[in-house]
Amino acid sequence: DAKTTQPNSMESNEEEPVHLPCNHSTISGTDYIHWYRQLPSQGPEYVIHGLTSNVNNRMASLAIAEDRKSSTLILHRATLRDAAVYYCILRDGTGANNLFFGTGTRLTVIP
Amino acid sequence: DSGVTQTPKHLITATGQRVTLRCSPRSGDLSVYWYQQSLDQGLQFLIQYYNGEERAKGNILERFSAQQFPDLHSELNLSSLELGDSALYFCASSVKMMDEKLFFGSGTQLSVL
Repeated sequence: DAKTTQPNSMESNEEEPVHLPCNHSTISGTDYIHWYRQLPSQGPEYVIHGLTSNVNNRMASLAIAEDRKSSTLILHRATLRDAAVYYCILRDGTGANNLFFGTGTRLTVIP
Repeated sequence: DSGVTQTPKHLITATGQRVTLRCSPRSGDLSVYWYQQSLDQGLQFLIQYYNGEERAKGNILERFSAQQFPDLHSELNLSSLELGDSALYFCASSVKMMDEKLFFGSGTQLSVL
C-alpha cells in the first residue's frame, strides 16, 4: 500500500483556517485520498475523500495537487471541537476496502 | 453517534483467557471491519466481512478469529490472551464491500492483566 507522510502535530487558533498537509509521492492512478479524524476517546470519523479534483463538503475541503503527490485538508474555521488526530489515507479503488492508518497529525486548537 | 454499536465498552481479563467482542453495524450496512489500536502500533486493520463472508485480512493473529452472522452483527474472538493484546478494538461498517465511507463504533477497551 502506498504510504503517506504527515506532520506529527499542528496548532491553530480558534476560528482561523487550518491547512493540514499530506505527502503521498508513490500514489498510483487508482488510489483514492481519504481523510479521517479521531476525536479523543472516540472512533475514527470520515471527513472527506477525493481522486483527482478538489472536493468540498460541510466539514472540510480537500485540495489535491495536479500531480497527485500531495494533498491538503482545509478546515475553514477551526473550532475547539476540531481538535483531533487527522489521518490521510490512500485507498486502492480496485482493491480491498480496508484502510491503512498512519500516525496522523494531532491538531491542537487554541482558544 | 455513528450508528455502529460495540459491546462491551470495557473488558478486563487475565492472560491466557478468551474473550468475545461484539459489533452491530449500522442498519443496512453489509460490510463489517475490525481494527486494533494500541499505543505502539497505531490503528491496525484486522479483518473485513461482507454479507457473512470474509473479504480481506490484515494483521490478524492466529489466536484471533471473527465471524459475521446472518443478522449481520459480527464477533471478534480473542484467545490465549497476552499482555500485548491490551488495546482498543474498533468495529466499522459500510454499505457496500467497496465503499467510500466507513463508520466506526466507539470501541471496546481490552485490558489484559
